[in-house]
Amino acid sequence: KNEVEQSPQNLTAQEGEFITINCSYSVGISALHWLQQHPGGGIVSLFMLSSGKKKHGRLIATINIQEKHSSLHITASHPRDSAVYICAVRYMETSGSRLTFGEGTQLTVNP
Amino acid sequence: GAGVSQSPSNKVTEKGKDVELRCDPISGHTALYWYRQSLGQGLEFLIYFQGNSAPDKSGLPSDRFSAERTGGSVSTLTIQRTQQEDSAVYLCASSTPARGGEGSYNEQFFGPGTRLTVL
Repeated sequence: KNEVEQSPQNLTAQEGEFITINCSYSVGISALHWLQQHPGGGIVSLFMLSSGKKKHGRLIATINIQEKHSSLHITASHPRDSAVYICAVRYMETSGSRLTFGEGTQLTVNP
Repeated sequence: GAGVSQSPSNKVTEKGKDVELRCDPISGHTALYWYRQSLGQGLEFLIYFQGNSAPDKSGLPSDRFSAERTGGSVSTLTIQRTQQEDSAVYLCASSTPARGGEGSYNEQFFGPGTRLTVL
């Protein structure tokens, strides 16, 4: 059983819709990352956060440390947002800065 | 500036052969990570370097896998006697030294990956 759970696994939306992807984890973390992976395979780091909320353009990431839960929101979604979104955490008790990854959420935004 | 680069981008090899995968991190990044993404599966951690030393090798799946880093820069991941289950995309990431000292962290920047296919 993966220690980092993402939902949904697959998400299809119409252009312009508001999208939410969820991530939950089981033990204390020092940081949580949201990553984007396009069909070509390249991974881009969207956010790294340990508390509160961060915003970049149409993307918003929030984290609730007490509830061990994070969400990634996309406002006014566009077909170019279609990608796999991956949640990854750095556990407090882990040496170094290795990441543990969720299974990813495949997002498809239709025009 | 230049990002993390990896070579080759694609590698096809026969079962039983050895392969070497290379990672060039962003200049000045002292932390370097290797990850693997098998088909239809999520990313998994392999090994972490801080400078030239590897304080965490716990993700290496077998003793056929090894990695080294020289000069605090380039890293090579070697897979000996490759098996079909080694087929995957191997990703490298690097990050800057974190100012907070032991246990602190910075964002990781990923390379484009090497797609390894073992026939």
